[in-house]
Amino acid sequence: NAGVIQTPRHKVTGKGQEATLWCEPISGHSAVFWYRQTIVQGLEFLTYFRNQAPIDDSGMPKERFSAQMPNQSHSTLKIQSTQPQDSAVYLCASSPGQVNTQYFGPGTRLLVL
Amino acid sequence: QQQVRQSPQSLTVWEGETAILNCSYENSAFDYFPWYQQFPGEGPALLIAIRSVSDKKEDGGFTIFFNKREKNLSLHIKDSQPGDSATYFCAADASSGSWQLIFGSGTQLTVMP
Repeated sequence: NAGVIQTPRHKVTGKGQEATLWCEPISGHSAVFWYRQTIVQGLEFLTYFRNQAPIDDSGMPKERFSAQMPNQSHSTLKIQSTQPQDSAVYLCASSPGQVNTQYFGPGTRLLVL
Repeated sequence: QQQVRQSPQSLTVWEGETAILNCSYENSAFDYFPWYQQFPGEGPALLIAIRSVSDKKEDGGFTIFFNKREKNLSLHIKDSQPGDSATYFCAADASSGSWQLIFGSGTQLTVMP
């Protein structure tokens, strides 16, 4: 029974380049969440979808960050013009939807040089 | 403004002892409190959770004690083992119609053999 799948596990980009992170939620889960984890800021909520519809993006930086969920089996987080301060572990979680029980993936470690 | 606080930042116990991790919160509207365990290089794993209508929740060797009036809770890890050495996060459901979780800064637990 696969958990949340995130690809790639590691990504290194140069400053100003674009980064796209992928998440495959647990099959049958209707809610997908994105969080960011850094040593300084800890775990921060970014955005979430329910039944593919965006519900809350209050944690997303207004510029350069965007998230989509084109179908129930994957979601993407795109960062344009990456900056060194975007370096973090980006975590995706999914929930079955009836209760707020979130299961996290292993994360994508993004390093912007 | 940190809405969820954890203490201590780090904790060392001997094998077989009970580890006690503390968490407090500010927003009285929070009503769901999951605890997550995270090992280096992995995503957070849901350990146990409690709703504010309960004052205690047990699951295996893990127990949450919840005090709604004082707005605090604690996670007790009974008979700690070296394999329990990890970072533990307390989180709260924002309960504002969104399912975003607000995380504390974590307690790093070390269990000495």
